[in-house]
Amino acid sequence: GAVVSQHPSRVICKSGTSVKIECRSLDFQATTMFWYRQFPKQSLMLMATSNEGSKATYEQGVEKDKFLINHASLTLSTLTVTSAHPEDSSFYICSVDALSEGTRTQYFGPGTRLTVL
Amino acid sequence: GENVEQHPSTLSVQEGDSAVIKCTYSDSASNYFPWYKQELGKRPQLIIDIRSNVGEKKDQRIAVTLNKTAKHFSLHITETQPEDSAVYFCAASEETGANNLFFGTGTRLTVIP
Repeated sequence: GAVVSQHPSRVICKSGTSVKIECRSLDFQATTMFWYRQFPKQSLMLMATSNEGSKATYEQGVEKDKFLINHASLTLSTLTVTSAHPEDSSFYICSVDALSEGTRTQYFGPGTRLTVL
Repeated sequence: GENVEQHPSTLSVQEGDSAVIKCTYSDSASNYFPWYKQELGKRPQLIIDIRSNVGEKKDQRIAVTLNKTAKHFSLHITETQPEDSAVYFCAASEETGANNLFFGTGTRLTVIP
């Protein structure tokens, strides 16, 4: 399957600052990447679909001006949490939609744990 | 949109016993059903998936069954081992273009040695 990396793995920031999270597809050219948020002991909630070369598609209830997504190349998508607040503290995971052995599925990055003080 | 429900939320079994996790979905257009295993603080890992053109798929100790008429699918783990302890998520999607997955709420499986 596709190899997906994320950076940073963990970040602690002060309230009001912005944080950028990178998601890289290391061995697959990803036209589409997904960004999820996962609160403790909860499921993965899709935030947005990142499309290379075009605007991201956000899920209902996700503020596009707060969670900026840029997918400038086939191997990199970034999520910027702007003016972060404590309630934004969460585990952010990206995934790559990839074709493997003739079938499509999603492969996840290792996640980024964001803590906003 | 799609709504995926998953039961039970927690499951404890003795080592060697079987574990079954069940999911239901609402959108009849969904035709792809993966299962992910997530260990604490780590990424979800795909363990098995099934598409709507088959009713059952097996991979060693893991099997998945699908009933499209009833809109439910299940994960079966046989001969459980302590390393099977994790949170398991089912998901569903309509496999057209990019896979937009809708996840269940997760099942925390604990295998007691």
